[in-house]
Amino acid sequence: DTAVSQTPKYLVTQMGNDKSIKCEQNLGHDTMYWYKQDSKKFLKIMFSYNNKELIINETVPNRFSPKSPDKAHLNLHINSLELGDSAVYFCASSLSDRAANYGYTFGSGTRLTVV
Amino acid sequence: AQSVTQPDIHITVSEGASLELRCNYSYGATPYLFWYVQSPGQGLQLLLKYFSGDTLVQGIKGFEAEFKRSQSSFNLRKPSVHWSDAAEYFCAVGGRNTDKLIFGTGTRLQVFP
Repeated sequence: DTAVSQTPKYLVTQMGNDKSIKCEQNLGHDTMYWYKQDSKKFLKIMFSYNNKELIINETVPNRFSPKSPDKAHLNLHINSLELGDSAVYFCASSLSDRAANYGYTFGSGTRLTVV
Repeated sequence: AQSVTQPDIHITVSEGASLELRCNYSYGATPYLFWYVQSPGQGLQLLLKYFSGDTLVQGIKGFEAEFKRSQSSFNLRKPSVHWSDAAEYFCAVGGRNTDKLIFGTGTRLQVFP
């Protein structure tokens, strides 16, 4: 009965590889997000989708490509991984795209390590 | 510029002691304020939120926070800390109908027995 679930929990990969992280929510929320948490715990928004439509696309390298097949799923694909991509990636959801009115529900994170 | 500052990177308290974690924000409109807690290896869990009304808000796990507009602060408090409260705490701000939250850099709480 997990509300926001991410897979995998840990991902170790070599530089130059392509990898994907999957996220699913069963809350019936309309909006989903990807956040990156760096080694200093700083949380930075990357993308958000509302009902499968991209609404936030922060300054992120175009090696990162989100995909939302339906409003319950938001995946993150990363091409040509670099050492600086090592971080914890959090998926989150909100009732609507007016996120501040409701707050987020977060997944437990995916720790990506690029070697 | 919109921002959240958590001045204390790391706080250590003894179990049973009182706790106050500081949060200052800069926001051009009426702020909506949040506190989240992140236990090791876990995602962030909402502790409490403030939108309007009573400036003292109660949250889960015995936490409360007070909104002080004149000081642009939203400090988190707990009268008696338990060892299980050891975690990272994040303050966040947004505005009515805005599409994202801005997070502070977090305060790591360590609890000694």
